[in-house]
Amino acid sequence: LAKTTQPISMDSYEGQEVNITCSHNNIATNDYITWYQQFPSQGPRFIIQGYKTKVTNEVASLFIPADRKSSTLSLPRVSLSDTAVYYCLVGEDILTGGGNKLTFGTGTQLKVEL
Amino acid sequence: GAVVSQHPSWVICKSGTSVKIECRSLDFQATTMFWYRQFPKQSLMLMATSNEGSKATYEQGVEKDKFLINHASLTLSTLTVTSAHPEDSSFYICSAKQELNQPQHFGDGTRLSIL
Repeated sequence: LAKTTQPISMDSYEGQEVNITCSHNNIATNDYITWYQQFPSQGPRFIIQGYKTKVTNEVASLFIPADRKSSTLSLPRVSLSDTAVYYCLVGEDILTGGGNKLTFGTGTQLKVEL
Repeated sequence: GAVVSQHPSWVICKSGTSVKIECRSLDFQATTMFWYRQFPKQSLMLMATSNEGSKATYEQGVEKDKFLINHASLTLSTLTVTSAHPEDSSFYICSAKQELNQPQHFGDGTRLSIL
């Protein structure tokens, strides 16, 4: 399984755009990149998944360069409620893969202040 | 959307007690459910994969006789921590996959405290 490296923590202010970068130098050809969000005392919530280039949904964008050795989760105009831990996962396509064994790394604690 | 419910959300019990945690998929059937454990300030660690109608598959280092998993129906998986001790105190989270083209849905976890 590809190992991921993320910053341990990040601070931001309401209304700002937050970019969290994840390094995955040994990503395999078949690997997808997935991001989850976890609030204290809750289970993780799926945010976004991508394979290459850019993916955007209603809550975030995911930027993946051509070499796929890193990825950046972009959260536009964060609010206090976006304070959470964000996990970058690398592995099989979680949307269609049958196994779906998820390997969580250390995550990034994002703290949003007024 | 798909909802996974865990019960109880919080439990405190004495050392040596066995504790059962339920994981239910409320509006979908799940042939496969997953059990994770999370210690404070740490990441989630997969414990086992629960398969409906068959034995669970445990990750390396997880004692199957201590963490009993039963997946008797397509909407319910249970994790029983047998003879729990303080070192078993943790946040236990389950997840279930609804169908293709959908990610796993996680429950809100069960915080287990063993005194």
